Amino acid sequence: AQTVTQSQPEMSVQEAETVTLSCTYDTSESNYYLFWYKQPPSRQMILVIRQEAYKQQNATENRFSVNFQKAAKSFSLKISDSQLGDTAMYFCAFMREGAQKLVFGQGTRLTINP
Amino acid sequence: GAGVSQSPSNKVTEKGKDVELRCDPISGHTALYWYRQSLGQGLEFLIYFQGNSAPDKSGLPSDRFSAERTGGSVSTLTIQRTQQEDSAVYLCASSLKLAKYGYTFGSGTRLTVV
Repeated sequence: AQTVTQSQPEMSVQEAETVTLSCTYDTSESNYYLFWYKQPPSRQMILVIRQEAYKQQNATENRFSVNFQKAAKSFSLKISDSQLGDTAMYFCAFMREGAQKLVFGQGTRLTINP
Repeated sequence: GAGVSQSPSNKVTEKGKDVELRCDPISGHTALYWYRQSLGQGLEFLIYFQGNSAPDKSGLPSDRFSAERTGGSVSTLTIQRTQQEDSAVYLCASSLKLAKYGYTFGSGTRLTVV
């Protein structure tokens, strides 16, 4: 079974700083998909970024980028120029090829301070 | 609708009572998912629908839990004889394309069993 580990329960940075959230996963699959979801106090999970394991290039979405290290089974999220609105729980998630369900990590609570 | 709608937003029920949680997916989304988010267990997959069929219900924790989907649209998650350990946020999501592109989540129903 796949597992996803987020080793940082909480993080806090100042507005405009760059922050990196860590995620590691364990799988024997060769192809799969990785996601970062954001959950603000509204509870709605919002997709931030996704990565396909067979793609070498790291995904980028505006201020959000990932560092995908397939051999190390690592998938970290970098948030540049952090904003107050980035304050939320962040979940890393795994989906194997052909599957429908996500396996989530335990989450990292990120606080951006003014 | 514009987003995934879940009702009620919050529900308090007495132990032993039955509850129904409703999910209204984005119009046209054929796939629908239920997840449970609890303090102790994190985010867990419950069940997946494709149309009105449930090819994967492996995450339902006991036979007290059931779900149905009608007309390829609205889904209801029913919990019979609720227990305190059922207290959690129940999240619904839907997707138009394959799940590997990510889902759109609703804001969840917070269920409290007293």
